[in-house]
Amino acid sequence: DAGVIQSPRHEVTEMGQEVTLRCKPISGHDYLFWYRQTMMRGLELLIYFNNNVPIDDSGMPEDRFSAKMPNASFSTLKIQPSEPRDSAVYFCASSSLAGGYEQYFGPGTRLTVT
Amino acid sequence: GNSVTQMEGPVTLSEEAFLTINCTYTATGYPSLFWYVQYPGEGLQLLLKATKADDKGSNKGFEATYRKETTSFHLEKGSVQVSDSAVYFCALSRRENGNQFYFGTGTSLTVIP
Repeated sequence: DAGVIQSPRHEVTEMGQEVTLRCKPISGHDYLFWYRQTMMRGLELLIYFNNNVPIDDSGMPEDRFSAKMPNASFSTLKIQPSEPRDSAVYFCASSSLAGGYEQYFGPGTRLTVT
Repeated sequence: GNSVTQMEGPVTLSEEAFLTINCTYTATGYPSLFWYVQYPGEGLQLLLKATKADDKGSNKGFEATYRKETTSFHLEKGSVQVSDSAVYFCALSRRENGNQFYFGTGTSLTVIP
């Protein structure tokens, strides 16, 4: 299996621009998670989906952040407008009941907002 | 609530030294426990897991035993290598919480030759 795929791997953008991060989970996984990692706050759960439905978005920082999962093989995390404090590494992870619930992480997207 | 507390880092060891990274948890019921490792510039990778009390997870020379009486899941390795330099995360998961993971803050390990 190819594992969790994220794109782009690196993104540099200017403050105020829209940013879209993409994730393809492992085939057959029914849970998908978005995390943000920074030196200051460590690893934070932003939102997670079960069977394409958002279950808990309490970690989304503010209305500038939105996430969608239109089908079982694709999810997006959008930031509009972006701000310098959004600079972080964003990880997507997926899991399944059959897999024992352990989460498989993608390589991450390193976002820099200038 | 559910939470994980792990040993503050950074930890620096010489090659072949013994490693212990402490992890304790708070959770109701019977969580599953995990150790993940993150190498520089990469995502987190599952290192080992244990799903019930007294289970021992092991992988690549690392071990951790699920101790319900002390609510602990300490990571150990008898002889570390330079290639073990990474950040290690302890985590718990409860099915009742929709498979949500609760991660510790991570412990950075550097092994010097």
